[in-house]
Amino acid sequence: SQQGEEDPQALSIQEGENATMNCSYKTSINNLQWYRQNSGRGLVHLILIRSNEREKHSGRLRVTLDTSKKSSSLLITASRAADTASYFCATVLNSGNTPLVFGKGTRLSVIA
Amino acid sequence: DADVTQTPRNRITKTGKRIMLECSQTKGHDRMYWYRQDPGLGLRLIYYSFDVKDINKGEISDGYSVSRQAQAKFSLSLESAIPNQTALYFCATSDLRASGMNEQFFGPGTRLTVL
Repeated sequence: SQQGEEDPQALSIQEGENATMNCSYKTSINNLQWYRQNSGRGLVHLILIRSNEREKHSGRLRVTLDTSKKSSSLLITASRAADTASYFCATVLNSGNTPLVFGKGTRLSVIA
Repeated sequence: DADVTQTPRNRITKTGKRIMLECSQTKGHDRMYWYRQDPGLGLRLIYYSFDVKDINKGEISDGYSVSRQAQAKFSLSLESAIPNQTALYFCATSDLRASGMNEQFFGPGTRLTVL
């Protein structure tokens, strides 16, 4: 079963607006990562946040992590049409030598 | 050249046929993974390998087998393909020694259709 669950499943916004996607997970983690997938293509790593971090920034991306609520959010500011893609959260469990566990993704559409 | 390559990129086959999907990487990573993606289900892990002598089953390994021929090569086989194996298949790599965080790098995917 999948560890992460993204919310919403789909999101449609106007260019220039901010987009917020959420991820909830079930068990303790070592780190949480966000990936982007353009239609039919491989996933691309965006940003990683460690379990002892609360917030991280990379360009127009802001990620927060609340380990007490077992949740994370990805904020994309000033969205562009090129941000249209699916976004996945993935977790590395605290149990150590384990692969990533992916959620089902949020499909973001940015309308020009 | 792409760091993680997959061949073929597209394949149409018939029920019962044996199919092999290949993955090669030039990143020098020790870890390799095979995922399948179905609409609305995200990525599900089929098999993974942490080094050449290590093979582990993932969430959905039934009907699949793998071979880690070398550090740079990891192939996925469907011994007798069935229609519900129609999906998009991704290979990925990571190097735990580099960052300790298991960031993954994905290939472009193989679209497999089983008729």
